[in-house]
Order: sequence, then structure tokens, then C-alpha cells
Amino acid sequence: EIVLTQSPGTLSLSPGERATLSCRASQSVTSTYLAWYQQKPGQAPRLLVYGASSRATGIPDRFSGSGSGTDFTLTISRLEPEDFAVYYCHQYDWSSFTFGQGTKLEIK
Amino acid sequence: QVQLVQSGAEVKKPGASVKVSCKASGYTFTSYGFTWVRQAPGQGLEWMGYISAYNGNTMYAHNLRDRVTMTTDTSTSTAYMEVRSLTSDDTAVYYCARWGPLEPLPDYWGQGTLVTVSA
Repeated sequence: EIVLTQSPGTLSLSPGERATLSCRASQSVTSTYLAWYQQKPGQAPRLLVYGASSRATGIPDRFSGSGSGTDFTLTISRLEPEDFAVYYCHQYDWSSFTFGQGTKLEIK
Repeated sequence: QVQLVQSGAEVKKPGASVKVSCKASGYTFTSYGFTWVRQAPGQGLEWMGYISAYNGNTMYAHNLRDRVTMTTDTSTSTAYMEVRSLTSDDTAVYYCARWGPLEPLPDYWGQGTLVTVSA
């Protein structure tokens, strides 16, 4: 089973700043099958990025994904108040499915 | 628009079973599949398994495969997930999510169903 390790566990930033979230895999992941989700308290996860770098429908362009192999990054270029939430990476290769443990993005 | 509406909260005793439903609308049911994910209180997301609504193929997480069954009913466009032999560790919010048609990427999610296991 591929283990996804996200860092940092908690990221404290202010609105307007840039956020960089990391997701590292225990073995190489097919980029096609790496996604990022946002979850707010009491809500279901929301798909942000799939295929490592493709934004889902309706997602603002301040969200961008990058990476390959074992290292993937979600970048939020300029934080808006509604961006403070928990973010999960997810690999969904047909033979293996796991989530990272999450990064909490909190207001500084 | 795509909608996934899950059944209501459940309270179960240890050793019992629970079956959660997920009714889909707004798309062609058999062209997609369902992933089930659970989230224990204050914890992260745990992938439980998937089922194809097209051919019924399933894949379950190793730690749950002996206790979980996922099914679909194409006549009512509903997916089901049953967990047997419940323990307190199964207390969680259970989510269904649609995937497909070409890859198992969960895109639309249900609202979640809280299952509480308590004596």
C-alpha cells in the first residue's frame, strides 16, 4: 500500500499570503491518479485538483497542483478567507487507493 | 445537476450491522461507480472501497474486506454500503462519492452519514 505523507500538519498564514502544501508518497505514484481535496468543518470533501495538476470544474485559478513521482504540491497563490480548511491528497490508481493524513490551513 | 443523497444517522450496538444508502440523480447511473470513504471523529479520510455501477466489480480496503459489502440497485439508482460486526472503532461519518467514467476519481460527494456504535 502506498502511504501518502502530508506536510506540514498545520500551516498558519494570513489572507493574501501564498500557501504551499506538500504530499510525499512512499513509492512512485502515477501522476494521472493524484488528487487534492478541500474539507471544511461539517462538510464533505470538495475536489480541487486531479491528475496532479488539472483544476476541477469551478475551482478558482489561485489553486494549482504540481509534481510527479513521489513529490506533489498544492499551491494557493493568494489566500482568501474561505480557503482556510483541511486539505487532503489522494492517490487513486486502480490497484491502490489512499489519502494523506491532511494539512490544516489556519488563519494566523 | 449531480446529487448524491445519503440515508440518515444511525446508532448501533457493538456486534450489529449497518447499511448506508446513497441515492444518485442527475446523471446516467450505470456509467459511473461509487467510492466509500469514512472519517472518524476528528480524524482524516479513510478509503473503504469502490463498486462499479456498470458491472458490479468491487474492491475493498484490506482491513475491512471481511466485514464490508458494497452493492448497487440500478432500478432505483442507489448504492449501498454495509458494515458488519460493528465496534466502537467504526464510529464515523460515512461518505459515498461518485467516480468515473474513465478513472476512479471521486468527484461528487454525498452529505455524509454519521454512524455511532455504542453499547
